[in-house]
Amino acid sequence: EIVLTQSPATLSLSPGERATLSCRAGQTVNIYLAWYQQRPGQAPRLLISDASNRATGIPARFSGSGSGTDFTLTISSLEPEDFAVYYCQQRYNWPLTFGPGTKVDIK
Amino acid sequence: EVQLLESGGDLVQPGGSLRLSCVASGITFSSYAMSWVRQAPGKGLEWVSSISGSGSSTYYADSLQGRFTISRDNSKNTVNLQVNRLRAEDTAVYYCTKGGGGTRSYFDYWGQGTLVTVSS
Repeated sequence: EIVLTQSPATLSLSPGERATLSCRAGQTVNIYLAWYQQRPGQAPRLLISDASNRATGIPARFSGSGSGTDFTLTISSLEPEDFAVYYCQQRYNWPLTFGPGTKVDIK
Repeated sequence: EVQLLESGGDLVQPGGSLRLSCVASGITFSSYAMSWVRQAPGKGLEWVSSISGSGSSTYYADSLQGRFTISRDNSKNTVNLQVNRLRAEDTAVYYCTKGGGGTRSYFDYWGQGTLVTVSS
């Protein structure tokens, strides 16, 4: 099983600031990594697929990078609706696995 | 517009069974893998099971130990999850998700979830 580790667990920032979230895989996942956003009380939403491809309708302030074992999700300037929990997920191998999540909260 | 509507969640005693269902609309259903992802209260996301578009291939999380069975009916745009021998640790919101392409895929659309509570 490919273990995904996310850091930090919590990121406290103010609106307008830049957020940088990390996801590290226990073994290579090539580029086969996605990022999801989950707001309180809502289902998760796909943000990024294959490390850097924004999903349909996702604002340009969200960007993803990385390959192999180290990946980054960057939110260039936080909007109020971006304060949420973010998960990474790999599809390189079965079983499909998620990271434990990073909570972005308001400072 | 893609819509996924789950049903079947309930309060059930340990050892009991449930059948979760998900009806999809707005997609050519048989073209896509479908999956179930669960989330225990206050916890993260856990992949449960996936089924290919044709239904010929199925995959499960090892932790389920053979208690869950995924199936689909492409004539009814429905995917099901039969959950047996339920345990307290199966308590979670179960999300139906659509695969983005291929069976081993991301989850590009999610339902709102159905709550399964296992308690005596």
